[in-house]
Amino acid sequence: SQQGEEDPQALSIQEGENATMNCSYKTSINNLQWYRQNSGRGLVHLILIRSNEREKHSGRLRVTLDTSKKSSSLLITASRAADTASYFCATGHSGTYKYIFGTGTRLKVLA
Amino acid sequence: DVKVTQSSRYLVKRTGEKVFLECVQDMDHENMFWYRQDPGLGLRLIYFSYDVKMKEKGDIPEGYSVSREKKERFSLILESASTNQTSMYLCASKGAATGNTIYFGEGSWLTVV
Repeated sequence: SQQGEEDPQALSIQEGENATMNCSYKTSINNLQWYRQNSGRGLVHLILIRSNEREKHSGRLRVTLDTSKKSSSLLITASRAADTASYFCATGHSGTYKYIFGTGTRLKVLA
Repeated sequence: DVKVTQSSRYLVKRTGEKVFLECVQDMDHENMFWYRQDPGLGLRLIYFSYDVKMKEKGDIPEGYSVSREKKERFSLILESASTNQTSMYLCASKGAATGNTIYFGEGSWLTVV
């Protein structure tokens, strides 16, 4: 089963609004990453947050991590139509090279 | 700029054919991965390699094999393609030179008829 589970599965908002998506996981992690995928393309790395960090920013992106709840959230502020894509979280764990991806959140930003 | 290149963007193969999907990275990465992506199922790990000639099974290795004879190249092999292997295949790499970031290729759309 997938370690990371994103919520919601799909999200539709108006341009200029903020978009929040969440990721939950089951076992302890070293780090958690967020990726973006435009339709039919590969995934592109957005941001990484380590297990000892609580919040991280990159441009219009804000990621939080709550290890006690085993969850993370990705906030995209002032969304644009170009932000329309699927967003995935990926968890990294000790003792393995594997990263486990969730099923993604499909974000649609309406102009 | 970092680059993971998958040799074929779109392929159509017949049931029973042997299929090779090639992936090359130019970042001297130690780790390489093959995922398949299906609607509603997200990315599922097929195989990964942490060094030349080293490989480990992922979550869905059945029906697939891999080869890593050179550090920069990781091949996915479908020994006898079946219709349930119709999917999008994504190659990725990661290494010490670029930290924990995973870099993906553009994907290969395989249709087995």
